[in-house]
Amino acid sequence: GNSVTQMEGPVTLSEEAFLTINCTYTATGYPSLFWYVQYPGEGLQLLLKATKADDKGSNKGFEATYRKETTSFHLEKGSVQVSDSAVYFCALRNYGQNFVFGPGTRLSVLP
Amino acid sequence: DAGVIQSPRHEVTEMGQEVTLRCKPISGHDYLFWYRQTMMRGLELLIYFNNNVPIDDSGMPEDRFSAKMPNASFSTLKIQPSEPRDSAVYFCASSSGTSGRRGNEQFFGPGTRLTVL
Repeated sequence: GNSVTQMEGPVTLSEEAFLTINCTYTATGYPSLFWYVQYPGEGLQLLLKATKADDKGSNKGFEATYRKETTSFHLEKGSVQVSDSAVYFCALRNYGQNFVFGPGTRLSVLP
Repeated sequence: DAGVIQSPRHEVTEMGQEVTLRCKPISGHDYLFWYRQTMMRGLELLIYFNNNVPIDDSGMPEDRFSAKMPNASFSTLKIQPSEPRDSAVYFCASSSGTSGRRGNEQFFGPGTRLTVL
């Protein structure tokens, strides 16, 4: 079946540090891949997505590239801010199937 | 569009009482999902509907939980009787997802924070 694995958190960084949150997946065919972000007290909201191999999703300085050869979709940001503190979820969706979410990675950015 | 609307935003009740959570999906979306989020278990899918029909309810914890979608613009999640371990944030989400549209994302509501005393 389909599954998503994320790096264990929490991740604590200083402001302006480089961020990587690893995400790998298991799926048949060619799923779409997503990163969602959840700020404290809020629902999840889409951060970025990619629908085919080698696509790069980007938003708000975050990027992730769909790597089919390594079944990965790692989230990166060159310089994090305190306001990026949140929980980040990697997810996939396959044709005619439901979404599958990873367990989430909590990021704390210190000033 | 107002996005996914959930009510109430907060609910505090006593053990044994019936709780009903409500959701209005985004107009035109044909998928609706109910999730539960706790610190211990993270985000769990409870049930989802396609065109108002329940497709997979394997995540519903037990018979005390039930969900309905009487029409395309409204869904309820009911817990009867409620127990303290049901305390969590319950999210509703909707999506457009007909065949070939796997790239369409889910849109989440703000959640209902349920506390059962």
